[in-house]
Amino acid sequence: GAGVSQSPSNKVTEKGKDVELRCDPISGHTALYWYRQSLGQGLEFLIYFQGNSAPDKSGLPSDRFSAERTGGSVSTLTIQRTQQEDSAVYLCASRKGRTVHEQYFGPGTRLTVT
Amino acid sequence: DQQVKQNSPSLSVQEGRISILNCDYTNSMFDYFLWYKKYPAEGPTFLISISSIKDKNEDGRFTVFLNKSAKHLSLHIVPSQPGDSAVYFCAASFNFGNEKLTFGTGTRLTIIP
Repeated sequence: GAGVSQSPSNKVTEKGKDVELRCDPISGHTALYWYRQSLGQGLEFLIYFQGNSAPDKSGLPSDRFSAERTGGSVSTLTIQRTQQEDSAVYLCASRKGRTVHEQYFGPGTRLTVT
Repeated sequence: DQQVKQNSPSLSVQEGRISILNCDYTNSMFDYFLWYKKYPAEGPTFLISISSIKDKNEDGRFTVFLNKSAKHLSLHIVPSQPGDSAVYFCAASFNFGNEKLTFGTGTRLTIIP
């Protein structure tokens, strides 16, 4: 079946502009995560959605970052007033349910802020 | 505070030999450990996992060993193949809460033909 998809695959934006990144999780997966990987770093947790529960936003680095998940499926990560330090690969992952630990990742969106 | 550490940024192994990738963690509350493999320009791909109640899990050429007392796990690949060349990430999660993954910084494995 189809895996996790993300769009766009690459995004170049000017400092100060807003960007939206999209994630389509695997059908039927109830949990959705956003991570980011900065150059030379490991993956850093940003936000987590599980069903209809309130999202865990504890990993968001600043209030310029927000995310929503509509209808329990597609998610959008929004970064307002982008800064150069926001440049990274943003990865989305989905997980089938709470008894399953394995997360399945999309290909990522490479964001470059100039 | 890096709770999951992969101290070797790179490793080169001859084709056919065993590759051993290491990972250390500091939080004894982690319940579940996973290894992911990542090729350039792709997302990480799940490889193998182990629960904290076990000390070994094997899947084909891949075996993960967990030493809870040492807070150490390792991934063994044998025999190593050229297609195994990738960056390998160790990750850990809890059995409660949001089950977010805490990742190490990765080890780049190069298999030499």
